[in-house]
This record gives sequence, C-alpha cells and structure tokens, in this order.
Amino acid sequence: QVQLVQSGAEVKKPGASVKVSCKASGYTFTNYYMHWVRQAPGQGLEWMGIINPSGGSTSYAQKFQGRVTMTRDTSTSTVYMELSSLRSEDTAVYYCASSGVNGDRLYFDHWGQGTLVTVSS
Amino acid sequence: DIQMTQSPSSLSASVGDRVTITCRASQGISNYLAWYQQKPGKVPKLLIYAASTLQSGVPSRFSGSGSGTDFTLTISSLQSEDVATYYCQRYNSAPLTFGGGTKVEIK
Repeated sequence: QVQLVQSGAEVKKPGASVKVSCKASGYTFTNYYMHWVRQAPGQGLEWMGIINPSGGSTSYAQKFQGRVTMTRDTSTSTVYMELSSLRSEDTAVYYCASSGVNGDRLYFDHWGQGTLVTVSS
Repeated sequence: DIQMTQSPSSLSASVGDRVTITCRASQGISNYLAWYQQKPGKVPKLLIYAASTLQSGVPSRFSGSGSGTDFTLTISSLQSEDVATYYCQRYNSAPLTFGGGTKVEIK
C-alpha cells in the first residue's frame, strides 16, 4: 500500500532554515508528482509547490518563491522541502501529498502524516 | 490567481440531516475540483475528485456536483463520524488553491 512517511518535528529560530523529508513506498516513485501543503495552527490548507520526481522539475507558489526548494532522491524514493529565512508565521504542519501526473489528476490521494515546524526565538 | 470561496464557514446539524456545502471559483475551472475531509487532529482525506467522482472507500452518503464556477458537497444523512472540516481544492492550473474550509458539527 502507498505510504508517505515524513521526518519528525522541528523547532527552529527565526532566520534559520528547515528541511523536511518525505519517503515514499508502495508504488513507483517516479510515476506520481509530489506536493507540499502546509497548515498553520487553526488555519486552512495552503499549497506550497510541486516536484516531478522523474526529472526533478519544480513549480512553487508565488508566496514561497525564493524561500522554498524542493528536491528528490530517486535512490531512496524521498522528496525534500527546504524552507529558508523562517519567521514565526511559518509555524505550521507541513504535509507531503502525492497526485497523478496528468493535468486532470492533480488532486491529493495520499498524504504524509505531517511534520510540525515551530519557529520560535 | 483563481480564488476558491466556501460557504458556510461553519454549520451545526443533527444526525440524519442533509448537509450542503458550497464552493465557488472566481473563474471557471470546468470540473477540476476535489473535496477533502479533515477530522480534528488528523490528515486530510480525499473524498471526491472531478467534482463528482467518489474516491474508493468513501461512503455513498457523500456526493459532489457542479461545473464551471459553482460546486456543492452534499452529505445525504449526517453521521456523528462526519464531524470534520471540509475543504474544496481546484486543480485546473497552478497554483493549486483550497477553499477556506467548512467546519461541520453535530447539533
């Protein structure tokens, strides 16, 4: 069965960077896109961007351009999301979520368990 | 960017009631619309995609309809286990965007 297992909770100081991992199993890693979605405490869902594990191409939401980097390691079926210049507003649960690769399949049918990132001085 | 507006933001209904949640897109998105359920403290779960296609394993009391700019999620007979926040999401083009959510509670 499809599983997305994320790295553990992080506590960071303002201005630092955080790198969250998401290890996929149960399917062919390069056949599905991976997205990152975040959820601030008590708030809604916010899409951050997408990575194509096959070629590594990415597309980021304008809000995070310049601060976010998504990468992948096909040898371990793992994607990474690094967010830099952290501020308190970045405190949130970060999810990886997979989707199909066709334009009509960009909905999220599998999700990681979430990683809480806390930004505090 | 295309904005997604959900209404109401919260509702309270009795077990067995029919519940309807609305999602409106600021521009037409054909049927590129998904619905998710997020129970308190849990990971979001896909309920419906392509506006009206039920994801495998989702109870048949959930249904979706709409096309273009106006969409609805209906729970035909509300159950206690349906207490959750529901989100719509458009996926016709990047950036993919979610509605603000509708919190459903039992009266």
